[in-house]
Amino acid sequence: EAQVTQNPRYLITVTGKKLTVTCSQNMNHEYMSWYRQDPGLGLRQIYYSMNVEVTDKGDVPEGYKVSRKEKRNFPLILESPSPNQTSLYFCATRDALNEKLFFGSGTQLSVL
Amino acid sequence: RKEVEQDPGPFNVPEGATVAFNCTYSNSASQSFFWYRQDCRKEPKLLMSVYSSGNEDGRFTAQLNRASQYISLLIRDSKLSDSATYLCAKRGYSTLTFGKGTMLLVSP
Repeated sequence: EAQVTQNPRYLITVTGKKLTVTCSQNMNHEYMSWYRQDPGLGLRQIYYSMNVEVTDKGDVPEGYKVSRKEKRNFPLILESPSPNQTSLYFCATRDALNEKLFFGSGTQLSVL
Repeated sequence: RKEVEQDPGPFNVPEGATVAFNCTYSNSASQSFFWYRQDCRKEPKLLMSVYSSGNEDGRFTAQLNRASQYISLLIRDSKLSDSATYLCAKRGYSTLTFGKGTMLLVSP
């Protein structure tokens, strides 16, 4: 079954404690992306990756890092989380043929 | 002007009604547009792609008006299960830009 798997589903942490949200896909898609979703602001892109070892900033990259060492994984790293990074995060991959985005089930992050 | 704009709603309609949403966009270089459906706190899922000729899928019809720079989604014979937030999206070179979504509430 085609899947984008994000972990964890829920995470509560404290300011400054480094964390990683994992994202893995089994569809062999080259393109992967991270979004955050906030009330009144909609979905905003954080980072994206066109292929292995190629990453670029999206609209709201401040405070985040990503890596793409292999095609299937695209972790989102918060080196020093702050309360304004409390949000619902989605990882997504894109099918190059039909441009369809496949989203993971989301990670609700709360930074206290 | 924001790249993709939608009326947030909510649109409250009775079952069986026909409802239409519009989404305006800027930067007309975009070639591809999409409608996604999102249930509360769940991941968005592709509802329809929208191309120049428009397209129809059962009760759903999507249209693209390049001259006026908007796309539309028409839902006929609304069902309770259509209650959700509908996001329009515009494909750029390396990204998909989403509107903030329009909430639809279908009541019995």
